[in-house]
Amino acid sequence: AQTVTQSQPEMSVQEAETVTLSCTYDTSESDYYLFWYKQPPSRQMILVIRQEAYKQQNATENRFSVNFQKAAKSFSLKISDSQLGDAAMYFCAYRRSRGAQKLVFGQGTRLTINP
Amino acid sequence: DAGVIQSPRHEVTEMGQEVTLRCKPISGHNSLFWYRQTMMRGLELLIYFNNNVPIDDSGMPEDRFSAKMPNASFSTLKIQPSEPRDSAVYFCASSLYLRDTEAFFGQGTRLTVV
Repeated sequence: AQTVTQSQPEMSVQEAETVTLSCTYDTSESDYYLFWYKQPPSRQMILVIRQEAYKQQNATENRFSVNFQKAAKSFSLKISDSQLGDAAMYFCAYRRSRGAQKLVFGQGTRLTINP
Repeated sequence: DAGVIQSPRHEVTEMGQEVTLRCKPISGHNSLFWYRQTMMRGLELLIYFNNNVPIDDSGMPEDRFSAKMPNASFSTLKIQPSEPRDSAVYFCASSLYLRDTEAFFGQGTRLTVV
């Protein structure tokens, strides 16, 4: 069974600084998707960024980028120029590319932005 | 599109009562997922449907939980009888059953069983 581990329950960063959230996963599959979801206090799950395992290039979405290390099964999220609105729970998630499309989530990292 | 719509947003009920959570997926989506979020267990999949058919219900905790999808635009998750340990946030999500798609989540139902 696939597992996703986020080893940082909480992180904090100064506004405008850069922060990196860690995620590792375990799978025997070679083709899969990895995601970072943001959950603000409103409870809404918002997709931040997605990475296809077959792509070597790291995904980037504006201030958000990932460092995908397939051999190490590592998938970290870097947030540049942190803003107060980035404060939220962040979840790393895994999904197989074939068959079951269910998401397997990590335990989450609570990110605090200090003004 | 209005996105995935869940109702109610909050539900408080007494132990032993029946609870029904509702979900309307995004129009055209043919996969639907029910997740539960708790502090202890995080986000876990309860059940998912493809084309209205339950595919994997291995996450349903026990027989008190049941889910239905009578048509492509509606699903329910029922708990009968409810217990305090069922208190959680329940999310519904939908997607297209294709390779390159993402799941869209509703805003969740916060269930409190007292």
